[in-house]
Amino acid sequence: TAGITQAPTSQILAAGRSMTLRCTQDMRHNAMYWYRQDLGLGLRLIHYSNTAGTTGKGEVPDGYSVSRANTDDFPLTLASAVPSQTSVYFCASSDSGNSPTDTQYFGPGTRLTVL
Amino acid sequence: GQNIDQPTEMTATEGAIVQINCTYQTSGFNGLFWYQQHAGEAPTFLSYNVLDGLEEKGRFSSFLSRSKGYSYLLLKELQMKDSASYLCAVSDSNYQLIWGAGTKLIIKP
Repeated sequence: TAGITQAPTSQILAAGRSMTLRCTQDMRHNAMYWYRQDLGLGLRLIHYSNTAGTTGKGEVPDGYSVSRANTDDFPLTLASAVPSQTSVYFCASSDSGNSPTDTQYFGPGTRLTVL
Repeated sequence: GQNIDQPTEMTATEGAIVQINCTYQTSGFNGLFWYQQHAGEAPTFLSYNVLDGLEEKGRFSSFLSRSKGYSYLLLKELQMKDSASYLCAVSDSNYQLIWGAGTKLIIKP
């Protein structure tokens, strides 16, 4: 089972350009999440989706947008990248998104550098 | 505000025991998770505690005290492959995970 896949693995992007990070899961999980991980900081939630067709804002949503057209895919778009968006981006999924025991499973990450 | 505190880095010897502490202050509490993250890789689930006490799973154990806002991860019989970062995360009132910055564990032979 593939679990969660992310693409690309890494990317260098010029400031001002747009980019979409892709995330696909094959576990039929209802909930999906996008985090960024920066040195010295915990994972920070950007956006989430508890079910197909719905999305919500996390702790650091500015400059990012998401969509959830179906259960499997949850792309993250940077409309106009800035250097502060340089980070490692992790996509995760969980069974329900609204249960205490809900465990999140992570994709391999995308390393993004904005110059 | 919401806060999760963990030591930044710890060093231990192969074969020994190490305890990684986590203290938290969050809006609501629906359980505490520990994840392991090797350098350059994704976090992977280790344990979940929602009731006070110790949960043992092989060489790894996790403890929770809700009244003290405190948890620890105990790793026994350390192996070189245990060198990784250990992330503490609390599920808040909305079932969102609030993450600590992680503890980098260095194992020396």
